[in-house]
Amino acid sequence: TQLLEQSPQFLSIQEGENLTVYCNSSSVFSSLQWYRQEPGEGPVLLVTVVTGGEVKKLKRLTFQFGDARKDSSLHITAAQPGDTGLYLCAGAKGNQFYFGTGTSLTVIP
Amino acid sequence: DVKVTQSSRYLVKRTGEKVFLECVQDMDHENMFWYRQDPGLGLRLIYFSYDVKMKEKGDIPEGYSVSREKKERFSLILESASTNQTSMYLCASSRGRLSGNTIYFGEGSWLTVV
Repeated sequence: TQLLEQSPQFLSIQEGENLTVYCNSSSVFSSLQWYRQEPGEGPVLLVTVVTGGEVKKLKRLTFQFGDARKDSSLHITAAQPGDTGLYLCAGAKGNQFYFGTGTSLTVIP
Repeated sequence: DVKVTQSSRYLVKRTGEKVFLECVQDMDHENMFWYRQDPGLGLRLIYFSYDVKMKEKGDIPEGYSVSREKKERFSLILESASTNQTSMYLCASSRGRLSGNTIYFGEGSWLTVV
C-alpha cells in the first residue's frame, strides 16, 4: 500500500552539489526510516527518526522528521560519487511498514 | 550488529519447480517479512509473520506460501515457480513494538525463473 510519496524519483547531480529528497504522506507514522540501496543489494538502514521535528545528522547527511510526523526530508551536502544509489523512506504504523517508491541518485564525478 | 541473512543470493529455477527461500535473523525479532522488489513497482509485501507459526497475507500473496516454525527463521515457498516470479526477494525483520520501530533487511535473493 503506497502511503508515502517520494520525490524526486530521479536525480543526477555534479559532485560537490547539495540536494534534498522528500518523503510525504497524509498519514501519521510512529517512526520513519531512510535507507540506501545499491544495485543487487538489500536496503541498508541510514537512520530512524521517531520524534516530530527531530533532526539527525550522519556526516554530510541531514534527516528531518516533520513536526506532525507525516513527512521527512533527507539533505545531502557536497555530494560525492559514493552517495550514488537508491534512497528509500519507510514509515512505521503499528507493526506495518510503508515504503516510498525511491529516489535514484547519481553523483557525477 | 543487526543481521538478517538470506541463504541464497542468486537462483535460477525452471518453470514449475518448487522454490524455497530461507531467511534467518539473529536479533530475536518478533516480526518477519517477505517483499519482492521490481523496477518501477517498488517494494511489495508478500507475507509477514508476527510470531512463530503465525502468518498474514500481504499485498501480493498469490503463488506464494510461508513457514515460520522457529522465531528466527522465515521461509518463502514458491509452490510452482512461474516466469512472472522472476524478481529480487527481500527478507526483513523488526521488533514487535508499536513505537520507534525499525525494519532491517537481508542482502536480497535474485530469483530467475526460466
